[in-house]
Amino acid sequence: EAQVTQNPRYLITVTGKKLTVTCSQNMNHEYMSWYRQDPGLGLRQIYYSMNVEVTDKGDVPEGYKVSRKEKRNFPLILESPSPNQTSLYFCASSWASGGPYEQYFGPGTRLTVT
Amino acid sequence: AQKITQTQPGMFVQEKEAVTLDCTYDTSDQSYGLFWYKQPSSGEMIFLIYQGSYDEQNATEGRYSLNFQKARKSANLVISASQLGDSAMYFCAMRDPASNYKLTFGKGTLLTVNP
Repeated sequence: EAQVTQNPRYLITVTGKKLTVTCSQNMNHEYMSWYRQDPGLGLRQIYYSMNVEVTDKGDVPEGYKVSRKEKRNFPLILESPSPNQTSLYFCASSWASGGPYEQYFGPGTRLTVT
Repeated sequence: AQKITQTQPGMFVQEKEAVTLDCTYDTSDQSYGLFWYKQPSSGEMIFLIYQGSYDEQNATEGRYSLNFQKARKSANLVISASQLGDSAMYFCAMRDPASNYKLTFGKGTLLTVNP
């Protein structure tokens, strides 16, 4: 089954404790992206990757890191989480950057930083 | 500048009736894609329908259709014969080269279907 998986689905952590949210897709997609969703602000892109070893900042990259060492994986790293990073996070992937390529979304990770 | 505008924070519709969710967009690119996603209360993002900027016909997917008016830069979603399971948040989104093909989302419309 074609899918994007994220782990963990729910996480409560404390300020400053490094964490990683994993994202994996089994569709051989080149393009992967991370979004955060906050009430009243909609979804905003954090980072994206056009392909392996190619990553770039989205609209709200501060406080986040990513890596793309393998095509299928695109982890999101919070080196020192802060309460303003409490949010719902989505990983997404698609065949390529342009064209009629819908982005497939993972189930979301609900992060709370206290 | 806001690129996707959804002016209806909330909408109500009676079961079995049709409803139109509004979306306007702004881009200077000639080639772009418009998408609608559904987000139920469980949180997942579900792709509904796609319209390319060069597509001459309005997209349709089952009960969903997209009313694409390019000159007006609008891409309204029409849901026919609403069902209770259609109650959800609906997001309009756009991908364009100027934004490195990210999905730019509107703030969403919360649709409630009444029995």
